[in-house]
Amino acid sequence: DTGVSQDPRHKITKRGQNVTFRCDPISEHNRLYWYRQTLGQGPEFLTYFQNEAQLEKSRLLSDRFSAERPKGSFSTLEIQRTEQGDSAMYLCASSSDGPSSYNEQFFGPGTRLTVL
Amino acid sequence: AQSVTQPDIHITVSEGASLELRCNYSYGATPYLFWYVQSPGQGLQLLLKYFSGDTLVQGIKGFEAEFKRSQSSFNLRKPSVHWSDAAEYFCAVGAYSGNTPLVFGKGTRLSVIA
Repeated sequence: DTGVSQDPRHKITKRGQNVTFRCDPISEHNRLYWYRQTLGQGPEFLTYFQNEAQLEKSRLLSDRFSAERPKGSFSTLEIQRTEQGDSAMYLCASSSDGPSSYNEQFFGPGTRLTVL
Repeated sequence: AQSVTQPDIHITVSEGASLELRCNYSYGATPYLFWYVQSPGQGLQLLLKYFSGDTLVQGIKGFEAEFKRSQSSFNLRKPSVHWSDAAEYFCAVGAYSGNTPLVFGKGTRLSVIA
């Protein structure tokens, strides 16, 4: 399967714990996006990378959140000191950055986080 | 700032009936517009997209959408709904190009009854 993969698919944690999610984009895609989706809402942008460079961060991304893409391949999203409000589906997407004016973002299945 | 409004939270249609899901956007320049579908436990799948040119765009699974600049709308249509179309549908807008973060609407949940 050459799609975007995310691990884990589900995570249950207690408030105050740290969690880390991983996203493996489609190989050769140099853009990688993180979105968050809460119940009854559409996905909301968190941050994105071009290769290893983090290009933009949303105001939703508080200082408890950090994302990395150290070698321009997979990415991790860490949430420190989790709060119940962090409970959501965390979606990863990737796209190429070729000469086309648009390159489709392909989404992974998401990681569902539940903070107790 | 960009924004997307999907006025209908939930729509129920009979199998074989036609479907129209509404989407209104706010964006100062020419928008890049998308419709995605999300089935339970699945990731988002792109149905269709509009950048420029013909304002009626065809997508996968028999869906089409029409861009109307004067109404700031990009409504999704399907002439005959199948039970497998039951899912959540999201309209999204991108700035400058599709290579930027997307702004999504809140989604419309489609139920299909026999």
